[in-house]
Amino acid sequence: GQQLNQSPQSMFIQEGEDVSMNCTSSSIFNTWLWYKQDPGEGPVLLIALYKAGELTSNGRLTAQFGITRKDSFLNISASIPSDVGIYFCAGANTGKLIFGQGTTLQVKP
Amino acid sequence: GAVVSQHPSRVICKSGTSVKIECRSLDFQATTMFWYRQFPKQSLMLMATSNEGSKATYEQGVEKDKFLINHASLTLSTLTVTSAHPEDSSFYICSATPGTGSSYNSPLHFGNGTRLTVT
Repeated sequence: GQQLNQSPQSMFIQEGEDVSMNCTSSSIFNTWLWYKQDPGEGPVLLIALYKAGELTSNGRLTAQFGITRKDSFLNISASIPSDVGIYFCAGANTGKLIFGQGTTLQVKP
Repeated sequence: GAVVSQHPSRVICKSGTSVKIECRSLDFQATTMFWYRQFPKQSLMLMATSNEGSKATYEQGVEKDKFLINHASLTLSTLTVTSAHPEDSSFYICSATPGTGSSYNSPLHFGNGTRLTVT
């Protein structure tokens, strides 16, 4: 089946640093989504990308939909302690989401 | 914005019993909902696609007789874990989208999940 490779698996950074994570796939997706999940809760949508090459920002978050439609990255600028959590990329075709393995982010104050 | 409510948030049951989990779209109609399972420290894995008024579509390897899905209305889908075993213990999450047709790739909104523990 379709798989997404998300990296890095985990990151431990200092508050104020920028963060970058990415996802690649062997398949083409029509939509790329980035979610954040806190322990014991469902994922919360951060950014949705619908068009190849699209670059979208949401506050300190910026994400891009790769031109080949097989990859996406998420950047977080000037990280703060509440950015801690697990970040998932997800590729979608006809509403069915395939998730990456997740990137666990820890921020040291 | 679109809100998805999932109930219960936690359930503990004995091995051999059945458990029902509800997923409701509170402020939109969802002809399709999705059920995911997430094991600790792992990603979300799609189990099945729940279609209002018709049978669910299950992913490969998911037993349809064990995980019964009923999409009773445009705002409610239920997942019943039948004859639960300890290995069924997991975090189950539903999602729904208000999109249909060409807007089907509109962002999926997730419920807060159900932590199932089978003893």
